[in-house]
Amino acid sequence: DTGVSQDPRHKITKRGQNVTFRCDPISEHNRLYWYRQTLGQGPEFLTYFQNEAQLEKSRLLSDRFSAERPKGSFSTLEIQRTEQGDSAMYLCASSERAGREETQYFGPGTRLLVL
Amino acid sequence: AQKVTQAQTEISVVEKEDVTLDCVYETRDTTYYLFWYKQPPSGELVFLIRRNSFDEQNEISGRYSWNFQKSTSSFNFTITASQVVDSAVYFCALRGGATNKLIFGTGTLLAVQP
Repeated sequence: DTGVSQDPRHKITKRGQNVTFRCDPISEHNRLYWYRQTLGQGPEFLTYFQNEAQLEKSRLLSDRFSAERPKGSFSTLEIQRTEQGDSAMYLCASSERAGREETQYFGPGTRLLVL
Repeated sequence: AQKVTQAQTEISVVEKEDVTLDCVYETRDTTYYLFWYKQPPSGELVFLIRRNSFDEQNEISGRYSWNFQKSTSSFNFTITASQVVDSAVYFCALRGGATNKLIFGTGTLLAVQP
């Protein structure tokens, strides 16, 4: 069983450019999460999907951020008009069960650097 | 509000020493879940353990053990006979009973010297 995969692993872009990240969850996992982690901090929740429905969004997710999970499988996170403050590691996680048995399994992350 | 505090920013030990990583949490939920994750230099968060608030039994898994105490709102993690491969950042996280998102602490960087 393969784990969560993310692509690309690294992205360098210039301020003002748009970037898109992809996350492929563990097969059969119906929940998918996006987190952002800045240097020296723990991951912070951005948004999550159950199947194709986006059920919760953090205040951290400004209007420049959009996430999709069109067929309930892979997800994309797009950042428009990137700013230097967007530089961070973007982590994706997936889980199979809800409630007391839920455990989120994380991918390797996409490290974004905005110049 | 929910919060996780990991007061130890960095810990350095010599191989074979025992080390305890502290985690203190705050929540008003009566049902909640606590987690520990390991983040090696490669960046991927590796799940170590999940503990439910209604189960205060401590757990041991090989060299790892966890001490959950609701009275002090703590969920500490001990590595016995540390090894160089244990070097990583360790995160404690909390999930409330009515939410799905994880609230992470700021992590503890553990450096195990040979």
